[in-house]
Amino acid sequence: SQQGEEDPQALSIQEGENATMNCSYKTSINNLQWYRQNSGRGLVHLILIRSNEREKHSGRLRVTLDTSKKSSSLLITASRAADTASYFCATDARETSGSRLTFGEGTQLTVNP
Amino acid sequence: EAQVTQNPRYLITVTGKKLTVTCSQNMNHEYMSWYRQDPGLGLRQIYYSMNVEVTDKGDVPEGYKVSRKEKRNFPLILESPSPNQTSLYFCASSTGLAASRDTQYFGPGTRLTVL
Repeated sequence: SQQGEEDPQALSIQEGENATMNCSYKTSINNLQWYRQNSGRGLVHLILIRSNEREKHSGRLRVTLDTSKKSSSLLITASRAADTASYFCATDARETSGSRLTFGEGTQLTVNP
Repeated sequence: EAQVTQNPRYLITVTGKKLTVTCSQNMNHEYMSWYRQDPGLGLRQIYYSMNVEVTDKGDVPEGYKVSRKEKRNFPLILESPSPNQTSLYFCASSTGLAASRDTQYFGPGTRLTVL
């Protein structure tokens, strides 16, 4: 079964609005990463948050991590049409020493102009 | 330009005909990995390699082989492809030995159809 699961599966918003995506995972992790994928193309790394961090920012992105709830959220502020893509969280399982990443099924974000 | 390249980008083949998908990176990365992406299942790891001559199974290794004879190359081999291996395949690489600590750089993908 998937280590990471994103929620919602699909999200449609208007340009300028904020978009929030959630990721839940099952086992203790070392780190959690978020990636973006434009339709049918390779994934692009957005941000990495370590298990001892609670929040991280990068430009219009804000990621939070709650290890007690085994969940993370990705917030994109002031969204643009170019943010339309699928977003994936990727986690490891602590017992694998970080050598393997497991991706969720992704959230499909559509930003309407 | 730093990149991960895959060839071919598109391939249609028939059941049982051996094929190889090549992956090459020019960033001197230690770690390389193969994933397949299927609708509703996300990305699943097939094999990974932490160094030359060191490879290990991911979550879905059945029906695939890999080799790591040189640091830059990590080919994916399907000895006898079957229709259930029709998928979008991605190669990825990263600097260190722990995929979870480093940015994964992905190739553009190979869309494989097995008839």
